[in-house]
Amino acid sequence: NAGVTQTPKFQVLKTGQSMTLQCAQDMNHNSMYWYRQDPGMGLRLIYYSASEGTTDKGEVPNGYNVSRLNKREFSLRLESAAPSQTSVYFCASSSLLSRQETQYFGPGTRLLVL
Amino acid sequence: GNSVTQMEGPVTLSEEAFLTINCTYTATGYPSLFWYVQYPGEGLQLLLKATKADDKGSNKGFEATYRKETTSFHLEKGSVQVSDSAVYFCALEGGSEKLVFGKGTKLTVNP
Repeated sequence: NAGVTQTPKFQVLKTGQSMTLQCAQDMNHNSMYWYRQDPGMGLRLIYYSASEGTTDKGEVPNGYNVSRLNKREFSLRLESAAPSQTSVYFCASSSLLSRQETQYFGPGTRLLVL
Repeated sequence: GNSVTQMEGPVTLSEEAFLTINCTYTATGYPSLFWYVQYPGEGLQLLLKATKADDKGSNKGFEATYRKETTSFHLEKGSVQVSDSAVYFCALEGGSEKLVFGKGTKLTVNP
């Protein structure tokens, strides 16, 4: 099993450009998440999806959209990138949206917005 | 709201030293508590967890005990190795089914 995979690994954008970060999991998990990691801030939840067909906002959703394409895939879209969105983005999944469930993380996407 | 406070880093230790990384939390109800570890260039992975008061999570020589009376979940290891160099995150899940992370503590272990 590959676990949680993310593409691309690294991306440079100019302000105003758009892009989609892809995430896929092969663990048959119901719940998926997108986080951003910034120095001194820890991880902050952007959006999550409790199950296929549902999405909800997390702590910092502004400037992002998501799509839960199917059970395996959960994409994050930046419609008009801003320098404040320079960050490392992590996708995660868990079997259930449950307080005791372990989340499994992908390797991350480093995004630089100039 | 729910929050996690963990000790500021970075922490630098010599091999075989004792490690403590403090973590305290604020939450309503009875949260589940986690320690995640991030090795250089990788995503986070679960190190250990505890789901109720007085539970002790343990893995790879690391331990943490869920102390409700002090709202703490401190991470300890008796003898660290160079391979333990990483960033450690304390996190809680307090009924909203979403993890709240601390800011992370970077540990460097020198030979």
